[in-house]
Amino acid sequence: ETGVTQTPRHLVMGMTNKKSLKCEQHLGHNAMYWYKQSAKKPLELMFVYNFKEQTENNSVPSRFSPECPNSSHLFLHLHTLQPEDSALYLCASSTYGSKAGELFFGEGSRLTVL
Amino acid sequence: AQSVTQLGSHVSVSEGALVLLRCNYSSSVPPYLFWYVQYPNQGLQLLLKYTSAATLVKGINGFEAEFKKSETSFHLTKPSAHMSDAAEYFCAVSDHGSSNTGKLIFGQGTTLQVKP
Repeated sequence: ETGVTQTPRHLVMGMTNKKSLKCEQHLGHNAMYWYKQSAKKPLELMFVYNFKEQTENNSVPSRFSPECPNSSHLFLHLHTLQPEDSALYLCASSTYGSKAGELFFGEGSRLTVL
Repeated sequence: AQSVTQLGSHVSVSEGALVLLRCNYSSSVPPYLFWYVQYPNQGLQLLLKYTSAATLVKGINGFEAEFKKSETSFHLTKPSAHMSDAAEYFCAVSDHGSSNTGKLIFGQGTTLQVKP
């Protein structure tokens, strides 16, 4: 088992579809994150969950809806997306506390919105 | 507000040559600083971090970085490049308060090319 697993690795969807990205961590961490990686732009923090509670929403449009049912799983529900939402979505996890900046990333879900 | 600037979006070196990737930060409070590496089709991996202890930080794969407060810099170096070092490198900053929450501000990244 790898530390942080993301599925699917690739996703193509139309603007009217509803899909979800899944992230699972096997590291015993209690914080999980969604980052967006677009071409030629810095990584953008989207959401932070600590102990299953959302502690950060970085002004993300409501067409992105996160869900964290427990400390090991994180979802990103997608609906009525726009072509500019096409990007690599990275999930990460960490401990809470002094080592929180040490993020462990999954391999990402490459999203294409047609 | 904190920010990170990586000078040079693309750096090319010959195998065996010195690697120098530049990072300057802006922070109103003492920062925590990080370097991450992303190999093709993979997520990011932590190379090293500075958390106000020693100013010269050693990381994995022979990389190291030096924190210079007077220059607000945290450049990444490796004495001798290897072909396997070809990847994208990201500098990141957080403040001590945010460090407990993992909230990092990333630079735009530098792609390192290693020529045989």
